[in-house]
Amino acid sequence: GEDVEQSLFLSVREGDSSVINCTYTDSSSTYLYWYKQEPGAGLQLLTYIFSNMDMKQDQRLTVLLNKKDKHLSLRIADTQTGDSAIYFCADRGGSQGNLIFGKGTKLSVKP
Amino acid sequence: SAVISQKPSRDICQRGTSLTIQCQVDSQVTMMFWYRQQPGQSLTLIATANQGSEATYESGFVIDKFPISRPNLTFSTLTVSNMSPEDSSIYLCSVERDENPREQYFGPGTRLTVT
Repeated sequence: GEDVEQSLFLSVREGDSSVINCTYTDSSSTYLYWYKQEPGAGLQLLTYIFSNMDMKQDQRLTVLLNKKDKHLSLRIADTQTGDSAIYFCADRGGSQGNLIFGKGTKLSVKP
Repeated sequence: SAVISQKPSRDICQRGTSLTIQCQVDSQVTMMFWYRQQPGQSLTLIATANQGSEATYESGFVIDKFPISRPNLTFSTLTVSNMSPEDSSIYLCSVERDENPREQYFGPGTRLTVT
């Protein structure tokens, strides 16, 4: 079945850029998503990209999609301590069009 | 976006009992979903609950264990039946707005501990 992979941890210093990477296996993906989960909270939709695009920018967030390599990344510019959270990549595809989530990348921002 | 609330926010339950989780949305939506997030894990879809039809369950989840109600377009319940410690998880509901089904929004989750 479809699979989404992410590295589990990323640590950066405040003010630096963070890059969170994700790979997926589904060739029929239509949209790819990034969600943020803060401790004890639900998932917040950050941004998403249509599969025929290769880049999307939204304020401090830049999403890059390499469809050939099935690789998605989320860049957070000027990372702040409030960005510390778990970031989930999700792929919408497959026969049912459901969201398939990665295991999440825990971002730690050091002052 | 969508404003979604869940009740209870957390609970500690005895094995063998059942818990019903409520999900309320601030506007009418056709598509509602229930997910499970086990400790340190990703989200797994339990079922899709569309108003006016029976819930559709994913592989590994059955109606007897996770009965779902969807009485109207703003509300749904998920029951976790005959609980065991393996059911300890966060349970989240989510919705897709009819006018923009590309975006799926999540509730705050219900943190369940079974002892």
